[in-house]
Amino acid sequence: AQKITQTQPGMFVQEKEAVTLDCTYDTSDPSYGLFWYKQPSSGEMIFLIYQGSYDQQNATEGRYSLNFQKARKSANLVISASQLGDSAMYFCAMREGNTGGFKTIFGAGTRLFVKA
Amino acid sequence: DTEVTQTPKHLVMGMTNKKSLKCEQHMGHRAMYWYKQKAKKPPELMFVYSYEKLSINESVPSRFSPECPNSSLLNLHLHALQPEDSALYLCASSQVHSDNEQFFGPGTRLTVL
Repeated sequence: AQKITQTQPGMFVQEKEAVTLDCTYDTSDPSYGLFWYKQPSSGEMIFLIYQGSYDQQNATEGRYSLNFQKARKSANLVISASQLGDSAMYFCAMREGNTGGFKTIFGAGTRLFVKA
Repeated sequence: DTEVTQTPKHLVMGMTNKKSLKCEQHMGHRAMYWYKQKAKKPPELMFVYSYEKLSINESVPSRFSPECPNSSLLNLHLHALQPEDSALYLCASSQVHSDNEQFFGPGTRLTVL
């Protein structure tokens, strides 16, 4: 069963505008972590932001924020003030506590294109 | 030092060759990972080492043989690969807890002829 779902294969955003990348997940483990990674065309995976299942507040890191809606099992990434360098593939990922925290499952990814 | 290094960056090998991929980190992380990523797909977990012991093997064919000689190094030995094994191989490391992010290396682009 698909555990991480990213329904947007591609997204376009105008430079300096905000964009939301969608992610839903499925788990029965009460302890889990949600991550977003950015992968530019160079290939390296860059960690952006983390949200723990027990965290009460939405995570924020600079221009990145995670809109965590636990009851809906969604963890959308919001990028504010988009820049041309934000053009990349973005992956939502989950680690479940019952695997010892080692097994990370990635969604299919969303390719973001920032237009000048 | 918050960097994971991988060598080589690119590798072309024949189906009868034996080669190795190398990964190194000096962040004191005790969990290290190998992922395989095909074009336009997410990374797929292959192996996880925790405290230098193999913790997870995701039913990877035996032509891929991982090795963790110490807490900083992770190798992936390749032998008798198939053309469909051509992919980006990513190494990652992390602290040993589910709430810690993984740090990824730049990857090795492998082509099997």
